[in-house]
Amino acid sequence: GENVGLHLPTLSVQEGDNSIINCAYSNSASDYFIWYKQESGKGPQFIIDIRSNMDKRQGQRVTVLLNKTVKHLSLQIAATQPGDSAVYFCAENISGNQFYFGTGTSLTVIP
Amino acid sequence: DSGVTQTPKHLITATGQRVTLRCSPRSGDLSVYWYQQSLDQGLQFLIQYYNGEERAKGNILERFSAQQFPDLHSELNLSSLELGDSALYFCASSVGQGGSEAFFGQGTRLTVV
Repeated sequence: GENVGLHLPTLSVQEGDNSIINCAYSNSASDYFIWYKQESGKGPQFIIDIRSNMDKRQGQRVTVLLNKTVKHLSLQIAATQPGDSAVYFCAENISGNQFYFGTGTSLTVIP
Repeated sequence: DSGVTQTPKHLITATGQRVTLRCSPRSGDLSVYWYQQSLDQGLQFLIQYYNGEERAKGNILERFSAQQFPDLHSELNLSSLELGDSALYFCASSVGQGGSEAFFGQGTRLTVV
């Protein structure tokens, strides 16, 4: 995939288990965060977002938790499926126009 | 399909050459962002245009330039290419100027030989 060679954190989970992907962000002024999923050969795809006035947001099978005290974000995927295998990026938006992406976490779902 | 179209999908060129990458944003989106994704740098923000005007600049080299046209499509020009410019170049678009979800195209894979 596109990130071969990049030293990505990796996570392997059994199909049906829950996955937790973590991200530390750098700027305490960041007020908006997005989780993206990137499958091999494709562009990043929006999963879920959260603004800094929230601690938690839920979507379909996904939950994002934001801890502003320690500048930490997590993505929880419930009942992980083989189709969830991808690289997951968190992106932070400092109030303005730029998103800074983390290096990503490679998730592998074992059938 | 995100609705963002990038051409070409693949590009192979020699060092020292110049190339142009093209992006058509989603219908209705006024912002276009360019990102570079390389093996050793991850996803790096290059530049953003909003409604034809430059809005933000990231880690974009002086050899690179971009513009957004009245029909809102955008082009990224890469000149005096070096081997290290080999990467995936993504375009993304969003409705507003920032602080909202951006939709990514499929990318252009540039290989400099």
